[in-house]
Amino acid sequence: EPEVTQTPSHQVTQMGQEVILRCVPISNHLYFYWYRQILGQKVEFLVSFYNNEISEKSEIFDDQFSVERPDGSNFTLKIRSTKLEDSAMYFCASSESMTGLNTEAFFGQGTRLTVV
Amino acid sequence: SQELEQSPQSLIVQEGKNLTINCTSSKTLYGLYWYKQKYGEGLIFLMMLQKGGEEKSHEKITAKLDEKKQQSSLHITASQPSHAGIYLCGADKGDDKIIFGKGTRLHILP
Repeated sequence: EPEVTQTPSHQVTQMGQEVILRCVPISNHLYFYWYRQILGQKVEFLVSFYNNEISEKSEIFDDQFSVERPDGSNFTLKIRSTKLEDSAMYFCASSESMTGLNTEAFFGQGTRLTVV
Repeated sequence: SQELEQSPQSLIVQEGKNLTINCTSSKTLYGLYWYKQKYGEGLIFLMMLQKGGEEKSHEKITAKLDEKKQQSSLHITASQPSHAGIYLCGADKGDDKIIFGKGTRLHILP
């Protein structure tokens, strides 16, 4: 069964460092998403991406964050200068069409980011 | 803003017993998702409900969406240890994201 894969599963980084979280969405999907879950809190929407551009982003997704689809398969989330409060589980998701059209979104296993 | 309330926050159930988890929206939904999360892991899609009054089942899990499309329930029959985890409901607001509830932690006692 096709699945969304994320690497690494766990990333530890020093405060102020840049991190790149990687995702390989399901191959025929067109919409890509990043969500995050701070320990003990809700899963929160960060950004959606379609046709090589951001289609929607939340308040959390400030200038420190960026997304990219550098080639035909990868979808990355970059945090330019990490803060302690960026520590969270980051989930990548993909769907065939926009989730607002009642389309199932497939989530990856997540990358646990720990900023020290 | 859209808020989803899940109840209960936590549930401990003897193996073999039935249970119900509820999800209530402050606004009418375009659709509702149910996901399961094992502790510290990814989200596994369970079901998506779109129409008022809709009910779907997968193995021993049944989910319903009320006629007004503001409330959903997830029912597990004859619970098993494999059902343990965090159940998340997610709201489809008709835009390009899912808004999740805080989740219900389900523990199954052998």
